[in-house]
Amino acid sequence: GDSVTQMEGPVTLSEEAFLTINCTYTATGYPSLFWYVQYPGEGLQLLLKATKADDKGSNKGFEATYRKETTSFHLEKGSVQVSDSAVYFCALGLSGGYNKLIFGAGTRLAVHP
Amino acid sequence: KAGVTQTPRYLIKTRGQQVTLSCSPISGHRSVSWYQQTPGQGLQFLFEYFSETQRNKGNFPGRFSGRQFSNSRSEMNVSTLELGDSALYLCASSSSGQTYEQYFGPGTRLTVT
Repeated sequence: GDSVTQMEGPVTLSEEAFLTINCTYTATGYPSLFWYVQYPGEGLQLLLKATKADDKGSNKGFEATYRKETTSFHLEKGSVQVSDSAVYFCALGLSGGYNKLIFGAGTRLAVHP
Repeated sequence: KAGVTQTPRYLIKTRGQQVTLSCSPISGHRSVSWYQQTPGQGLQFLFEYFSETQRNKGNFPGRFSGRQFSNSRSEMNVSTLELGDSALYLCASSSSGQTYEQYFGPGTRLTVT
């Protein structure tokens, strides 16, 4: 069935380090791909999205490229800040799926000064 | 624009009781989706409503139900509560009938004792 697999956390980095969080998916058809972020005690915020192969989503220094050949959507940031500490979720939305999102397990990121 | 609001934010119930959670989407949004978030199962899709019609349903027992009103506000109901229903229940709204970005509320934290 349709699914999303994320690298397990927690990921612990020093401020200004490079971040990669791996995400791969299994889906029929042509899904849209998303990264959401959840800060402590809050709901999810959309971080970035890509709706077709080779699209690059970007926001707040984060980037991810929709790679159909490797069924991946890895999240990257060149220089993380303490304020980036949160849980990051990769998700897919199926075409014709009526707004149903399938989420990965989430990856906790902790950034230390 | 005001964001997605959910009430109440916190709720404590006893096994066997029933509960109703409320969600007000962003003004103009006609789609409302519900998700359950637990440490063990992660984020799981419950159901989605669009223009008062349930269009999609996840794999949850019939104790979980929902509805949407003509003003797009939505409620979900859980009857005969079980300990395993303790979770963060998130509501998300979207402006489109397709799977585009969804905007999440802060959630309702339900504790069943």
